[in-house]
Amino acid sequence: ETGVTQSPTHLIKTRGQQVTLRCSSQSGHNTVSWYQQALGQGPQFIFQYYREEENGRGNFPPRFSGLQFPNYSSELNVNALELDDSALYLCASSTPGTVGGYTFGSGTRLTVV
Amino acid sequence: GEDVEQSLFLSVREGDSSVINCTYTDSSSTYLYWYKQEPGAGLQLLTYIFSNMDMKQDQRLTVLLNKKDKHLSLRIADTQTGDSAIYFCAETLSDSWGKLQFGAGTQVVVTP
Repeated sequence: ETGVTQSPTHLIKTRGQQVTLRCSSQSGHNTVSWYQQALGQGPQFIFQYYREEENGRGNFPPRFSGLQFPNYSSELNVNALELDDSALYLCASSTPGTVGGYTFGSGTRLTVV
Repeated sequence: GEDVEQSLFLSVREGDSSVINCTYTDSSSTYLYWYKQEPGAGLQLLTYIFSNMDMKQDQRLTVLLNKKDKHLSLRIADTQTGDSAIYFCAETLSDSWGKLQFGAGTQVVVTP
């Protein structure tokens, strides 16, 4: 049973809207990473937060932003949604230095119409 | 494009061994991982190997790493129908802790 929970599980938004996805990390994990998984593809790294600061970013535009809170919960915000943003969004929590310690949530399926 | 490449599909009969292959391009990879994804679910870590190892065995799973050819494989012994899923290999780099670079995944279908 995963210790990472994501909400909502499914979401439909209209192009141009904004969306906030939420992740509750496993207890004690102070690092959270977000990934975008398009249909039929592997997950792509969006960014990582460590102790509430962004600590690494993939090839995603600034309209993808995030927040991490002291209780290790986090948010992924996407502004000005585009059709290509339709994907499964996964968060993963970990503790630096813990090999293989990435615990993934079940994801939020975002559909942009 | 992907820096990690995998074949897209594998069909195997129940009870046989499955071998899933992966190639990666970055020689500075430190750890290499195998994840499993079932329909509607997140990613489950199956096993990982450090880049200075060439083999790791964990129950039914055997990971082989050929660092010279940048080739990674996952062998599943006695494949069961519950092993039907998409399998991803992934790498992390020494300077990018927390960033996993995934392949596109191999869909494994186990037939009775």
